[in-house]
Order: sequence, then structure tokens, then C-alpha cells
Amino acid sequence: QKEVEQDPGPLSVPEGAIVSLNCTYSNSAFQYFMWYRQYSRKGPELLMYTYSSGNKEDGRFTAQVDKSSKYISLFIRDSQPSDSATYLCAMGQADSWGKLQFGAGTQVVVTP
Amino acid sequence: SAVISQKPSRDICQRGTSLTIQCQVDSQVTMMFWYRQQPGQSLTLIATANQGSEATYESGFVIDKFPISRPNLTFSTLTVSNMSPEDSSIYLCSVPPTSGDYNEQFFGPGTRLTVL
Repeated sequence: QKEVEQDPGPLSVPEGAIVSLNCTYSNSAFQYFMWYRQYSRKGPELLMYTYSSGNKEDGRFTAQVDKSSKYISLFIRDSQPSDSATYLCAMGQADSWGKLQFGAGTQVVVTP
Repeated sequence: SAVISQKPSRDICQRGTSLTIQCQVDSQVTMMFWYRQQPGQSLTLIATANQGSEATYESGFVIDKFPISRPNLTFSTLTVSNMSPEDSSIYLCSVPPTSGDYNEQFFGPGTRLTVL
């Protein structure tokens, strides 16, 4: 069993819809949770970073963490074609010094 | 945020040869990380490279296969040795911000390697 599970998609939504992405994990030692966006032929770009249960909002993006259920989510409101990318969840432990565990990534396609 | 460049951006190599990938950062950083992204797979950490010490390899990765150099605080190389088609992947380097939160990493554009 992988430590971090993420549905690879693809997930296709019409422009303006809400995109809902999620990851589950098995290691209760994970304390830091991140979402990266990766455009084709580019490196991942950090979108959201949180370390507590609950919601964190940044513009059109909301990250949600439920440590009791070992479940994290990313919501993208008012989706745009420019949001079409692969979204990767990543997790780290308190003493991991940057050794992140990534999900496989979900490909999102926003159609005009 | 750090600006990271990698060379080459892509390469096609023959089985049994070696390729050295370069990673250059526009600021001094203590740690650099090397990842592999195989087709349809998640990013997997290969090793952590600290300046002035031997790289630390993750389970499943060995120095003979993936030797790493870290001659200064802005540069690192990863060599993929004695390549086979299974080494076809995207290889990425990453660095934490100068503020020191190692989870908040910045990634280079990646090197797309195809082994025939």
C-alpha cells in the first residue's frame, strides 16, 4: 500500500465549475501538507501549504486537512482553462527535513 | 522564491551509457534534493545533497547508480549511470527557501531522459 493515494484522473470540468481534488494517506506521522501544480513539461509549483486540520484559503484555492480521517482536499473555485494542469499532493513529517512523500497527481482539464 | 535551472532539459541516451544532470540555483542553499518522476508515477526522492558532505540516499537508490556531487552552495549534479530503459524518467532538483522551511520546496524544470 502506498503511503499517499491520489486518483490520477483525468478530471474534466467546465470553466467556472469547482474543482475538487483529494488525497488519502496512511502514515499518521505526516504533519505538513502541500499541494503543488505542475504544468506540462514544467517543474511542480507550490500552491498551498498547511500543517493543521481545518481549512486554509488563498484566493480561489482552499486546502482542507482532516487528520482524523487522514484525508486532504484542494478546491479550486471559478476554474479557468489556465488551471488545466496536474495537481500533486505532498506530505512531510516533523523531522523529515524536506523529505516529502508525493501522490501520483491528478490531471485536471478545464474546458472553455 | 529561488530560480532553478537544469541542464540538459531533455536527452535520449543509449543503454549502458551515463548522463550527468546539472542543477543551478540563483541563491545559496544548504540542502538540495533530487527526485525522479517516472511516467504515471509520483515524484520519488532519490537523495538529499548537502554541501561538503556525502549525499544521503533513500531506500532503493544507491550511490553507484546515482552518484551526486555538491561542490558549492548553488550547484549540484546527478549522474544516472549504466542506464537501462527503466531509467527513463523526469529528474528534478529542488531546494527549500532561504527561510529554512524544508517542506516548502522550489523545483527546477526537470530533465526528461529517454533511454533506448
